Amino acid sequence: GEDVEQSLFLSVREGDSSVINCTYTDSSSTYLYWYKQEPGAGLQLLTYIFSNMDMKQDQRLTVLLNKKDKHLSLRIADTQTGDSAIYFCAERDASKIIFGSGTRLSIRP
Amino acid sequence: ETGVTQTPRHLVMGMTNKKSLKCEQHLGHNAMYWYKQSAKKPLELMFVYNFKEQTENNSVPSRFSPECPNSSHLFLHLHTLQPEDSALYLCASSQLGTSGGIRELFFGEGSRLTVL
Repeated sequence: GEDVEQSLFLSVREGDSSVINCTYTDSSSTYLYWYKQEPGAGLQLLTYIFSNMDMKQDQRLTVLLNKKDKHLSLRIADTQTGDSAIYFCAERDASKIIFGSGTRLSIRP
Repeated sequence: ETGVTQTPRHLVMGMTNKKSLKCEQHLGHNAMYWYKQSAKKPLELMFVYNFKEQTENNSVPSRFSPECPNSSHLFLHLHTLQPEDSALYLCASSQLGTSGGIRELFFGEGSRLTVL
C-alpha cells in the first residue's frame, strides 16, 4: 500500500537553510507535494513537483526529487521565524492524496 | 482565504450529544473530503465525495455520518462520540480531471472537536 514517511522534528537556526526529507513508496505517483500547516490553521499547498522533474525552485524553496530512491526533499533557504510550522510531504494516488506524518520545523534564534 | 470554509471552528460536546460540522467550498470543485488530524495519526482520510457520490469510506465508525447534498457543501454528522474522537477535522476540496485524477487539495481551517 501507499506510505509516505518523514521525520517528526527539525530545529534550525534563524538564517540557516532547512532541509526536510521524505520517502514514499508508490513509484507511479505523478505528483508529489509539500503542504504547510501553521498553528491553528488548515494545510496550505506550498509547492508540488511532477514526477518527470528532478528539481523545482520557487523563491526560497527548492524541491528535489530522486525517483530511483523515492526520496523527496524541501529546502528552505534563509529560514525565518515565520517558517515555523508543520510541513507535510504527500503523494498523489489517483483521486486522493496520501500524506506523511508531518515534520515540525522550529526556528531558534 | 483558501475558498473552503468550515464551521464551527471549535466544538465541545458530550458523548450523548448530536452535532454537525459544516464545510462549504466556493471554488467550483467537484470533489470534497473529510480528514481527521490527531496526535496519534496526523492526517487520516475519512471520506471522499466525487460529484456528490461517496467514493471512499476508510473504515470510519458509523458514529460519523457524512452528507453531501451538492458539490459545494459537505457535512459530518456526529453522534455518541467517544473522547478519543477529539481531533481537528479538516475539510478539503479538489477538481478531479476527466479521468478522475486529482491535482491538488484546498483545505479549510478545520473544526477543533473536543468530546467530554
